[in-house]
Amino acid sequence: DAKTTQPPSMDCAEGRAANLPCNHSTISGNEYVYWYRQIHSQGPQYIIHGLKNNETNEMASLIITEDRKSSTLILPHATLRDTAVYYCIVRSDTGTASKLTFGTGTRLQVTL
Amino acid sequence: ETGVTQTPRHLVMGMTNKKSLKCEQHLGHNAMYWYKQSAKKPLELMFVYSLEERVENNSVPSRFSPECPNSSHLFLHLHTLQPEDSALYLCASSRFGQLYGYTFGSGTRLTVV
Repeated sequence: DAKTTQPPSMDCAEGRAANLPCNHSTISGNEYVYWYRQIHSQGPQYIIHGLKNNETNEMASLIITEDRKSSTLILPHATLRDTAVYYCIVRSDTGTASKLTFGTGTRLQVTL
Repeated sequence: ETGVTQTPRHLVMGMTNKKSLKCEQHLGHNAMYWYKQSAKKPLELMFVYSLEERVENNSVPSRFSPECPNSSHLFLHLHTLQPEDSALYLCASSRFGQLYGYTFGSGTRLTVV
């Protein structure tokens, strides 16, 4: 699976949009971009995933560049409860059990 | 609740003790995983089970022994652990071909004294 690069930390004011970038320049054609987050001392939580089109769900939006070498997770109106470590992961769907490899992620701090 | 339940939530054990961590899911998933998360480190994959068969063991010491008796249950048996094994142990499950990824439990916080 391709490697990803994320900034170690970001701050965001409550109510503003949080834009979390991720670089995955070695991504291959069949690899998806996944985003998870981990609130302190809990298990990671799935947020969203995409292949090449932009995606939106009730939690967030995912913008993937046309060359697929980078993506941005957008939390449109960040709240204090969005304070967490956000992980960008690239992997292929092998159709069988496949591993998710977590990096160090981006620690998002939402402030008043 | 995520649908993946881990027990106990907290565990303190001595280095000579034997204990087991339990993970249970009733999501219809057919793959289960153990991850370890030490303080200020990324999650490390320990074991992968697919259809109750172990398919990956990431050079984990033999003092950690997994068991998957059926597709809904996963255990991690612990014996003669070291203080550096203190960590958050996370269980996850997934379904082949399902693109929503993994569902994680809340973890067991293990302290070895």
